[in-house]
Amino acid sequence: GQSLEQPSEVTAVEGAIVQINCTYQTSGFYGLSWYQQHDGGAPTFLSYNALDGLEETGRFSSFLSRSDSYGYLLLQELQMKDSASYFCAVRTLYNNNDMRFGAGTRLTVKP
Amino acid sequence: ETGVTQTPRHLVMGMTNKKSLKCEQHLGHNAMYWYKQSAKKPLELMFVYSLEERVENNSVPSRFSPECPNSSHLFLHLHTLQPEDSALYLCASSQVFEETQYFGPGTRLLVL
Repeated sequence: GQSLEQPSEVTAVEGAIVQINCTYQTSGFYGLSWYQQHDGGAPTFLSYNALDGLEETGRFSSFLSRSDSYGYLLLQELQMKDSASYFCAVRTLYNNNDMRFGAGTRLTVKP
Repeated sequence: ETGVTQTPRHLVMGMTNKKSLKCEQHLGHNAMYWYKQSAKKPLELMFVYSLEERVENNSVPSRFSPECPNSSHLFLHLHTLQPEDSALYLCASSQVFEETQYFGPGTRLLVL
């Protein structure tokens, strides 16, 4: 079967750094994606890792370790507008276009 | 502006009603998806259309029926729903085998 585990809630203060972890178990693995969803909004794509290592996009970075079936999203210089839910998602090799999402991590940024 | 639109944005229906959700993408993509999002649960993939061919998802009850008349439009036909079907229904699109999916704003469905 397939499963993704991520913390349900994280709280941090403005200007801080926060890391949201994701562990996955799949029958096949193609890559790990991260999406952001504000309350009442649609999920929006943040980043994607297919290979081990760190991908940096501005204040956000994403890391993948395929051998550990583990990845994380790193948010730096937190801003109030970063308060949202963050989802990790995996695509499996054996099911074309089949994306499986984690339950999401609710990030609250406090002043 | 995501390029994916959904109508209606909100829908209240009784268990005996028949209604349809509509999704349209203006991004030139060739894959479209329906997801169900319930509170505190993962996004659940319901249906995938890839190059206008439907990928079966056996875990979806038959009271949900998708239709993809062309690569830009996707419908979800609803009939005899149950209260537990109340959720946010999200449509998304992408290029086949590309990672980024673009989501619409969703339809908030309440089944009474």
